[in-house]
Amino acid sequence: LAKTTQPISMDSYEGQEVNITCSHNNIATNDYITWYQQFPSQGPRFIIQGYKTKVTNEVASLFIPADRKSSTLSLPRVSLSDTAVYYCLVGDSPSGGSYIPTFGRGTSLIVHP
Amino acid sequence: DAGVTQSPTHLIKTRGQHVTLRCSPISGHKSVSWYQQVLGQGPQFIFQYYEKEERGRGNFPDRFSARQFPNYSSELNVNALLLGDSALYLCASSPTANFDIQYFGAGTRLSVL
Repeated sequence: LAKTTQPISMDSYEGQEVNITCSHNNIATNDYITWYQQFPSQGPRFIIQGYKTKVTNEVASLFIPADRKSSTLSLPRVSLSDTAVYYCLVGDSPSGGSYIPTFGRGTSLIVHP
Repeated sequence: DAGVTQSPTHLIKTRGQHVTLRCSPISGHKSVSWYQQVLGQGPQFIFQYYEKEERGRGNFPDRFSARQFPNYSSELNVNALLLGDSALYLCASSPTANFDIQYFGAGTRLSVL
């Protein structure tokens, strides 16, 4: 099964840029990389998805190197409301073709005033 | 438009009992996935249903079962509850069975005493 590794926690301050890296050494050729944000007692919320190079939307950027064995979520100018757990999700396709979405343990980001 | 809705929001059961959790996907979404999230861990995939058929199954015992109805809503059933089944159960919907962005509900908090 494809596994992901993320830092357990990170601290930042309001207005700073935050970069969270996820390692996924066994990513499959057709797997996309998706990042979710989760607040306490809520379901995860989609942030961004990518396959290679760089993807940018209104809230974040996602950088994926050519070997695709890692990805970096970049949050520009974080605010207190960005305090949450961030998950890197990589699809997993074991033999038989069943799709098993595998979340990592997540990175707990705390943004300080 | 309504998002993914789950019911009930909270539930308390005792060991050995049975529980049924319900999920209504976003209108037009045909795929429903179920996840178990234990405190401090990332969501763990249980099932995916698409067009009323099981498309994926995670590493959970046979005490866990699910089904999807013609209107694409879904039920997750857990028999012979154990203390370790206490968790937040999340439902996610997506438009297709492929690796799409998943939209999560707020979850059902199950406590087994």
